[in-house]
Amino acid sequence: DPKIIQKPKYLVAVTGSEKILICEQYLGHNAMYWYRQSAKKPLEFMFSYSYQKLMDNQTASSRFQPQSSKKNHLDLQITALKPDDSATYFCASSQDRGHERLFFGHGTKLSVL
Amino acid sequence: GDSVTQTEGLVTLTEGLPVMLNCTYQTIYSNPFLFWYVQHLNESPRLLLKSFTDNKRTEHQGFHATLHKSSSSFHLQKSSAQLSDSALYYCALSNYQLIWGSGTKLIIKP
Repeated sequence: DPKIIQKPKYLVAVTGSEKILICEQYLGHNAMYWYRQSAKKPLEFMFSYSYQKLMDNQTASSRFQPQSSKKNHLDLQITALKPDDSATYFCASSQDRGHERLFFGHGTKLSVL
Repeated sequence: GDSVTQTEGLVTLTEGLPVMLNCTYQTIYSNPFLFWYVQHLNESPRLLLKSFTDNKRTEHQGFHATLHKSSSSFHLQKSSAQLSDSALYYCALSNYQLIWGSGTKLIIKP
């Protein structure tokens, strides 16, 4: 019974389009994160949120926009998609931001054609 | 800034041999937390070990690591590798922001 739900599991998009990746966690955690992992790069931190506020942003491109409508939601909007955006995007959460262990969702595998 | 270094990108071992994956770090924070996460093929990363106590051995699922602040190291070890240990291993440092190493792919052969 997954406690961090990511939707969809697989996503195919065309170059230039826009997609939203969904993440909901049911662990009662206060901090949520987005990570990206591609064949070319290891696990790459993107954003962290704490109590629905952006805390850290390591993503250079403004095409990536996190959206937190509820405390247990952190969606990721990606605009003007490029083939290089193809990767698995992992949502994660922790009790609080700090020295807490991270729990990861199963990921959304995005392929941009 | 803070950083984590995993020198081996790929480690290939024969089943039954000991495992040692290197992790060193740099931080200005005097009390860092160190983590090892493991990611099996087609799965998401999950926590394997965590430590913040200097010179104390931490063990879980047959793996162990000891945080040595004097050498800024947190190497992952196992006495006897199993085929199921094949996975990607990440070392990470927490100073309120989690800093990840580049990962070590461990392949265990029969």
